[in-house]
Parts: sequence; C-alpha cells; structure tokens
Amino acid sequence: DFQMTQSPSSVSASVGDRVTITCRASQPISTYLVWYQQKPGKAPNLLIYTASTLYSGVPSRFSGSGSGTDFTLTISSLQPEDSATYYCQQANTFPPLKFGGGTKVEIK
Amino acid sequence: QLQVQESGPRLVKPSETLSLICTVSGDGGSFSSNNYYWGWIRQSPGRGLEWIGSINYGGNIYYDPSLKSRVTISVDRPKNQFSLKVNSMTAADTAVYFCARQSAVIGHYYFDYWGQGTLVTVSS
Repeated sequence: DFQMTQSPSSVSASVGDRVTITCRASQPISTYLVWYQQKPGKAPNLLIYTASTLYSGVPSRFSGSGSGTDFTLTISSLQPEDSATYYCQQANTFPPLKFGGGTKVEIK
Repeated sequence: QLQVQESGPRLVKPSETLSLICTVSGDGGSFSSNNYYWGWIRQSPGRGLEWIGSINYGGNIYYDPSLKSRVTISVDRPKNQFSLKVNSMTAADTAVYFCARQSAVIGHYYFDYWGQGTLVTVSS
C-alpha cells in the first residue's frame, strides 16, 4: 500500500530560523511531489509542485527539493505567518492520491 | 477568480447517506476542460487529509479503493456542479469535506483551488 511519511510531526522554531520538513514516499515518484500549507480552519493552499516549483504568489523563502523517494520543504527564514501545518502529496500516479500525515510548524 | 463551494447538510445520522454538492464559478471554462478533474478530499483529526475521489467533465471517475464501495461522485454539467454521496455513514466519517480543482496533467496531480470545507458530523 502506497504511503507518504512526513517528519517531524511538529517543529517549534523562532522567527528568522531555517526550518526543514521531510517527506518520504514508499515508492519512487520521480519529482512529482506537492506541498501544501494549511492554517487552522482553512483549506490547504498549494505551495510547491513538481518538488521544487513555487506556485504563483508563494514567497521565495519557501523552497522544495528531492526526487525519487525523499523530499524536503525548507523555509529559509521563518515568519510569523508561516505558522501552519504542511502536507506533502504524491502527484506521480493517479489514482489514488496520497497525502502525508502533516507537519505542524509553530513559532517559539 | 475561480471559486468552489461545498453545500449540503452538516449533520448525518449513522447508517444514512451523506450528499454534498460542489458549485464551481468564475472558472473561465475550466470546468469543461480536459485539463482538470474535480475532486473531493476529507480531513478528520485522526486521519489527516484523505482523497476520496475525482471526476472530470467527461464523466471519468476515480475513487480511493478504501472508500470505493460506499462513494458515488457525479457531475451536473449545466449547473457547473459535481456531487458526492457516501452511504452507510458512521462516526468514522465525521470530517471536514473539501471540494477542489485538480490538475489532470500527468505528474501534476495537485489541487490548486479549494472550497472552504464543510464539517459533517455523524450523530444520532
């Protein structure tokens, strides 16, 4: 059964810190990996697709990398508005579509 | 600006059927484009984001295998709507249900426009 595993499940960091989130696919998915940001009570917002392409309007402090099974989302300088939960999703095969379990980013 | 909006009852009794509608507006023709699917995703505290299924304008439908036996997705072309039915609802189906536009481009199966979500509670 295809799985997407994120780590850590939560991270607490200070404004200005560099934050890195990892997503691992149970099977190779090339670079077909998507990242979303979700704030409480809101729908997810698309951040990055094809592992490293920033969606329109996404600040440049967000970046993504990886291929195959291992991927990272990096926030280069954490801002207060980045407090949210981040999800990865495999976009290689359809159907099905699978999401990671999420990583909650909190501001110290 | 494209908008997608869920509508339907917020409370469903156990064993009954959930029916939700997603209305697409301001889409500039994307609802009928082969470049997009229209999907349903749900989110419960214990299970995170879970893809339920997707449909395109032409009526091609795909379901997650874990829900396939209980789910029906359909499209109403004249109304720019697509709908979700989940039968035999249980407490485990309590979740926020989202509808969203999904890219149909190979390798780009992401959701770029989401509805605000509707919380559906299963309770007698």
